[in-house]
Amino acid sequence: DAGITQSPRHKVTETGTPVTLRCHQTENHRYMYWYRQDPGHGLRLIHYSYGVKDTDKGEVSDGYSVSRSKTEDFLLTLESATSSQTSVYFCAISESHKGTAANEQYFGPGTRLTVT
Amino acid sequence: AQRVTQPEKLLSVFKGAPVELKCNYSYSGSPELFWYVQYSRQRLQLLLRHISRESIKGFTADLNKGETSFHLKKPFAQEEDSAMYYCALSAGTDKLIFGTGTRLQVFP
Repeated sequence: DAGITQSPRHKVTETGTPVTLRCHQTENHRYMYWYRQDPGHGLRLIHYSYGVKDTDKGEVSDGYSVSRSKTEDFLLTLESATSSQTSVYFCAISESHKGTAANEQYFGPGTRLTVT
Repeated sequence: AQRVTQPEKLLSVFKGAPVELKCNYSYSGSPELFWYVQYSRQRLQLLLRHISRESIKGFTADLNKGETSFHLKKPFAQEEDSAMYYCALSAGTDKLIFGTGTRLQVFP
C-alpha cells in the first residue's frame, strides 16, 4: 500500500459538532483528494488539492472545508456535522504524469464517521 | 456533462462462470478510463487502466469509443473476485469521476 494513513479510523459525533479528519501521506505526491462513499452513490469527490495551499471544490463540497498547509497533510473539516454527513470518507493521492500513469490514485484505508 | 454509469448494483455468478461488469461513460473528448476494486475491509486499489491494455487477475477491459463503454470481463470467475468494482473516468483533468459501483458476488 502507498504510504497513506487516515485518522481517526472511526468516529461517532453529535449533530452540530465540528469534526476534522486527517489524511497523511509519505509519498510526496502533489495531488490529494477527499471522497465520501455512500451506497447507491459510489465515490463522490468533496474537495481536492493540487499543491500546498491550493485547493478546489468537488461535486459535494457543501458543509465541508479543507486545508493543506504542507505537502503531506490534507485536512477535511465538517464545521457543524449533520446526519447526512454520516459516511465513509476516503483520502486519495496522485502524482499525475500526463501520457503515462495519468490520474492513477492511491487510496487511504477510510474513516467511518457516524453523526448522531 | 461527464458521467460514468454502472447499471448493475449487484452481479451474482457461480464460480467458473464468465463475468461482465458494465461501464458506460459520457464525455466528448478522449477519455482515460480505469477500473478500481475494493475487497472486503480493504482500501480501493487500481485494477486496470485502458491505456495499458493489460490483463490483471484474469480481468480485461476494452475501450469502445463507438459505444462509449469500458466493460470489465473475466472468462472464469473465482470466489476471490467477490468485491466492489468501480469504473472511473478522467475527462482531461486531474480529477476522476466514479460510477456508483457494482458488487460482484461469486458463489462456490
